[in-house]
Amino acid sequence: EPEVTQTPSHQVTQMGQEVILRCVPISNHLYFYWYRQILGQKVEFLVSFYNNEISEKSEIFDDQFSVERPDGSNFTLKIRSTKLEDSAMYFCASSGDRESVRYGYTFGSGTRLTVV
Amino acid sequence: LAKTTQPISMDSYEGQEVNITCSHNNIATNDYITWYQQFPSQGPRFIIQGYKTKVTNEVASLFIPADRKSSTLSLPRVSLSDTAVYYCLVGDDGNAGNMLTFGGGTRLMVKP
Repeated sequence: EPEVTQTPSHQVTQMGQEVILRCVPISNHLYFYWYRQILGQKVEFLVSFYNNEISEKSEIFDDQFSVERPDGSNFTLKIRSTKLEDSAMYFCASSGDRESVRYGYTFGSGTRLTVV
Repeated sequence: LAKTTQPISMDSYEGQEVNITCSHNNIATNDYITWYQQFPSQGPRFIIQGYKTKVTNEVASLFIPADRKSSTLSLPRVSLSDTAVYYCLVGDDGNAGNMLTFGGGTRLMVKP
């Protein structure tokens, strides 16, 4: 079964540092997403990406965040200057076209980001 | 987006059938009902999606009454490994690329 792969699985960083979280979505998918889940809280939408541009973003996704698809396989989330409250699990997800979306979105196993 | 309400937690025993009901009184005509499962420290995993009546796959069944104001996820003969959080989501999944809105989910604990 195809998987969404995320690296690293854990990242510890100091407050104010930049981090890049990496994802390899399923190869024939067209839509890519980042979600986050603070410990004990709900899964929250951050951003969706289609056709090399952001299609939707939440209030959480402020100027400190950016996404990029630097090549045909990777999808990255950059946090420019991390804050303590950015500590969370970050999930990458991807989905196919309008027909295959009936099979849901595929999430990766996540990157646990700890800001100290 | 239609608001969903589901029980915070449920307990069951191995081998039993588990039914988790979700209410979504404000569901719109274009909305589909989708269920995801999440294990600790893992991403949500798609289980099943439906629009009306009954849908069944190798993992679960989804029952949706005619008024579509609620839905029931049915897990046959659960095992310990089915212990997870189950989320009911309602939205226009016909539009690929839509964001998913997760609620608090139902924490299912399966006991031996």
